[in-house]
Amino acid sequence: QVQLQESGPGLITSSETLSLTCTVSGNSADSISSGYYWGWIRQPPGKGLEWIGSVYRSGSAYYNPSLRGRVAISVDTSENRFSLSLSSVTAADTAVYYCARSCSSTTCPFTHWGQGVLVTVSS
Amino acid sequence: QSVLTQPPSVSGAPGQRVTISCAGSNSNIGAGLDVHWYQQLPGTVPRLLIYNNNNRPSGVPDRFSGSKSGTSASLAITGLQPEDEADYYCQSFDNSLSGHVVLGGGTRLTVL
Repeated sequence: QVQLQESGPGLITSSETLSLTCTVSGNSADSISSGYYWGWIRQPPGKGLEWIGSVYRSGSAYYNPSLRGRVAISVDTSENRFSLSLSSVTAADTAVYYCARSCSSTTCPFTHWGQGVLVTVSS
Repeated sequence: QSVLTQPPSVSGAPGQRVTISCAGSNSNIGAGLDVHWYQQLPGTVPRLLIYNNNNRPSGVPDRFSGSKSGTSASLAITGLQPEDEADYYCQSFDNSLSGHVVLGGGTRLTVL
């Protein structure tokens, strides 16, 4: 069974760049190099889910239009992990950030989720 | 606001049937793109409840069902139980702006 684990600083300062990593573990069929899309979803405290973006094993990524220009998602197949970078953060970016796996199509659901990491943006 | 529109809250008594709607448009649900549903119990990670409009992953009770028609989709829960009290989210894909995942704003289900 594939497992995903987010890691990164829990507190960052406004205007800085948020950087998170999701490490994938499991058998070889579950690796980053397998034919899946890997995504980031966030949830501000007390609010709903917001999709941030997703990346394929090739490195091809697509993003939420509302975040385009500030976000980048990359994949590291050698380390079996993928990363999120969100620049110029403000208090509105305070949220629990989840990494998740879907399938080989952009229209698939997210079937496996990490436990989430709370990132707080302070001024 | 979310691209997919859900009612903020619904409620029902134990044993009753409730439905949660998810309204989209011709660039997502109406374009024939699949709808998925998630359940998020208080303080937990979202879990996939329904995929591809009306399919249940292993382990999801058959009290949960999904449907889609036109530009909207619905999640139905029959035989409501106290443990169903949670937030529910719909998801689809939108063909506009180079394509992107879209999520509903979420619906809080209260079991009375």
